[in-house]
Amino acid sequence: QVKLLQSGTALVKPGASVKMSCKASGYPFTDYWVSWVKQSHGKSLEWIGEVYPNSGATHFNEKFKAKATLTVDKFTSTAYMELSRLTSDDSAIYYCTRETAYWGQGTLVTVSS
Amino acid sequence: DIQMTQSPPSLSASLGDKVTITCQASQNINKYIAWYQQKPGKAPRLLIRYTSILESGTPSRFSGSGSGRDYSFSISNVESEDIASYYCLQYDNLPYTFGAGTKLELK
Repeated sequence: QVKLLQSGTALVKPGASVKMSCKASGYPFTDYWVSWVKQSHGKSLEWIGEVYPNSGATHFNEKFKAKATLTVDKFTSTAYMELSRLTSDDSAIYYCTRETAYWGQGTLVTVSS
Repeated sequence: DIQMTQSPPSLSASLGDKVTITCQASQNINKYIAWYQQKPGKAPRLLIRYTSILESGTPSRFSGSGSGRDYSFSISNVESEDIASYYCLQYDNLPYTFGAGTKLELK
């Protein structure tokens, strides 16, 4: 069955970067877009962007264009999201999804000195 | 960006009740709306896509309808396992956008 396994909790300092992973299994990784979604504590969901593993093509929410970098490793069926210049506003749970239908378990990022 | 206005923010229901949540888009989204259920500490779970198509495993007491800008999601005969937050998502235009969510609680 389709599974998306995300990397674990990250505690990072303000101004630093964090790179999280999303390992896919149970389907042809290169055939589906991988989207990333942010959920701040107790709040709603924000679509960050998506990457197409076959070509590396990306689409971004303008709000996150300068914040997030999306990449993939086709050989390990893993998608990555790197967030840069972190502030407290970036503290959240980040989900990877297969075209918003299947979701990973989420990666909690806490930005704190 | 398309704005999704979801209401109500919270809902109190008794077991067996029917509840309805609405989402209004800021423009026509051509039925490209999905509905998700999220329980505390868990990822959202897709229940309905393209307005009214139930995902495999979604109980038939869940339903969706609508067109144009206006959409609704209903649960008939609320069960205890339905206590959760619910979100709509429009996926007609990038960037995809979610509603603010509705928290369903037991009366």
